[in-house]
Amino acid sequence: SQQGEEDPQALSIQEGENATMNCSYKTSINNLQWYRQNSGRGLVHLILIRSNEREKHSGRLRVTLDTSKKSSSLLITASRAADTASYFCATDGRRETSGSRLTFGEGTQLTVNP
Amino acid sequence: KAGVTQTPRYLIKTRGQQVTLSCSPISGHRSVSWYQQTPGQGLQFLFEYFSETQRNKGNFPGRFSGRQFSNSRSEMNVSTLELGDSALYLCASSPRTGGLNTEAFFGQGTRLTVV
Repeated sequence: SQQGEEDPQALSIQEGENATMNCSYKTSINNLQWYRQNSGRGLVHLILIRSNEREKHSGRLRVTLDTSKKSSSLLITASRAADTASYFCATDGRRETSGSRLTFGEGTQLTVNP
Repeated sequence: KAGVTQTPRYLIKTRGQQVTLSCSPISGHRSVSWYQQTPGQGLQFLFEYFSETQRNKGNFPGRFSGRQFSNSRSEMNVSTLELGDSALYLCASSPRTGGLNTEAFFGQGTRLTVV
């Protein structure tokens, strides 16, 4: 089962507006990553935020992380039609054994209308 | 730098057959992970290989297996295919395994259809 939950499941906005997506997770993490996926194609890496960071920016993207609430948000400012895609958060949890294993949320389908 | 390359992009197989999917990671990356994406179950972790050793394994039956070669290229194999194995299979590569800063970069995936 998926560890993360994202809300909303779907979001429809007008070009130029901001889009905010939220993600919650259940266990301790090393980092949290956000990905974009267009129409069932591969995942495009957007941004990684480490567990000891609270906020990170990359271009029009702003990610926050609240480890006490086990939640993260992705803000896309001044959205464009080309931002239309599914957005996923993924956590890489802390484990006794080393290794990487991403656990994905269910995703938010963002539609940006021209 | 070239990205993660997965081959083939599309595949149609018959129930009971087996299939092998290939993944070439980004140059210099030693960790390769595999994920299955279906509409019902979402994105689920299959396994991770690092330096030719399986480091993590997800909750999938033994029909799903993988391996990694000395050049970090990886293959995954599914034997005795079932209709429910129809999915997008995604490969991700990372420079290292685990840790605070380990980003994972994904390929375009292989779309497997089992008929």
